[in-house]
Amino acid sequence: GENVEQHPSTLSVQEGDSAVIKCTYSDSASNYFPWYKQELGKGPQLIIDIRSNVGEKKDQRIAVTLNKTAKHFSLHITETQPEDSAVYFCAAMGGTSYGKLTFGQGTILTVHP
Amino acid sequence: ETGVTQSPTHLIKTRGQQVTLRCSSQSGHNTVSWYQQALGQGPQFIFQYYREEENGRGNFPPRFSGLQFPNYSSELNVNALELDDSALYLCASRREHLSYEQYFGPGTRLTVT
Repeated sequence: GENVEQHPSTLSVQEGDSAVIKCTYSDSASNYFPWYKQELGKGPQLIIDIRSNVGEKKDQRIAVTLNKTAKHFSLHITETQPEDSAVYFCAAMGGTSYGKLTFGQGTILTVHP
Repeated sequence: ETGVTQSPTHLIKTRGQQVTLRCSSQSGHNTVSWYQQALGQGPQFIFQYYREEENGRGNFPPRFSGLQFPNYSSELNVNALELDDSALYLCASRREHLSYEQYFGPGTRLTVT
């Protein structure tokens, strides 16, 4: 089955800096890669996603890139703000496992004012 | 907020007991997935329901079972509770079985003592 590795496990940045979180996946048939933000006591919130026919996608301060050959994808947050502090999860879906998201272990992002 | 609701918010049970968790999908969504999130880890796929039938299952034993109702709401039932079942249980809905985007509810925190 699919396996997703996520790095780093913790990331600390100063307000205004950029943050990058990286994930690798194992199943070359995977074709959908969402990113979720989870705040304390809440469920995961979908913040951006990318499909395998696209190499990059941007939404304001957030961008995701995908390298299908290397089987890795990354989340980029620019001009970070304290309210960006949360746990971020990458996930992968596809192949024969339609609807089943396989998640990474999560990255705790702390943005210091 | 996604419009996915779950009840109860918190639950404490004793080992060996049975528990039922409930989920109401976002309006217009007909497919529901359930995930288990242990402390400090990413969510793990349990199973999904479409047209009131189980349609895909993760690596969970048969004592984890579910239902989906005609209004697309869903239940997760866990029999013979074990200490390791203590986790946050998340429900996610999506518009159609073939849709990609999944939207999560706030979760039910289950503690087994």
